[in-house]
Amino acid sequence: GAGVSQTPSNKVTEKGKYVELRCDPISGHTALYWYRQSLGQGPEFLIYFQGTGAADDSGLPNDRFFAVRPEGSVSTLKIQRTERGDSAVYLCASSLERGLGIQYFGPGTRLLVL
Amino acid sequence: SQQGEEDPQALSIQEGENATMNCSYKTSINNLQWYRQNSGRGLVHLILIRSNEREKHSGRLRVTLDTSKKSSSLLITASRAADTASYFCATAPLGAGSYQLTFGKGTKLSVIP
Repeated sequence: GAGVSQTPSNKVTEKGKYVELRCDPISGHTALYWYRQSLGQGPEFLIYFQGTGAADDSGLPNDRFFAVRPEGSVSTLKIQRTERGDSAVYLCASSLERGLGIQYFGPGTRLLVL
Repeated sequence: SQQGEEDPQALSIQEGENATMNCSYKTSINNLQWYRQNSGRGLVHLILIRSNEREKHSGRLRVTLDTSKKSSSLLITASRAADTASYFCATAPLGAGSYQLTFGKGTKLSVIP
């Protein structure tokens, strides 16, 4: 079956612009996660959705970052007033249920802020 | 913040040799997972070991966990060129936030044909 998909695969934007990154989880997976991976580092947790609600957004770095999952499936990560330091690979993952299960990752969106 | 630390940071071996990577972590865990990443993009889940397990096998992979030392190791036997990738350990903390995986910085493995 289809895995987690993310679009776009690459995004180049200018400092100060607004970007949206999309994640399509595996069908039937109720839990969805966003991570950010900077060069040479491991992924860092941003936010976790259980269904439509953001159950834990403690990893979002500041209020320029926001994510939604209005129908409990597709999720969009939104970044306002982008900064050069936001440049990273943004990874989305989903799992069948929350907690102790395996998280299945998408290919990521590589964001470059000029 | 990163909890785990993989060791070594980089490893280069000949095809057919075994590769061992180590991971240390700081807090109590529910489980520890190993992932592989090719070309800095999506991560592929390899194996999950629970805190009450000491060793687990999957194909050419062998994972050990020592909760008293807060460490784990991943052994890849009879390595192949296709095993070239970065390998990350990720810990799921004990308690309510167990979904929040914390990754180390990874070990970059190069398998030379």
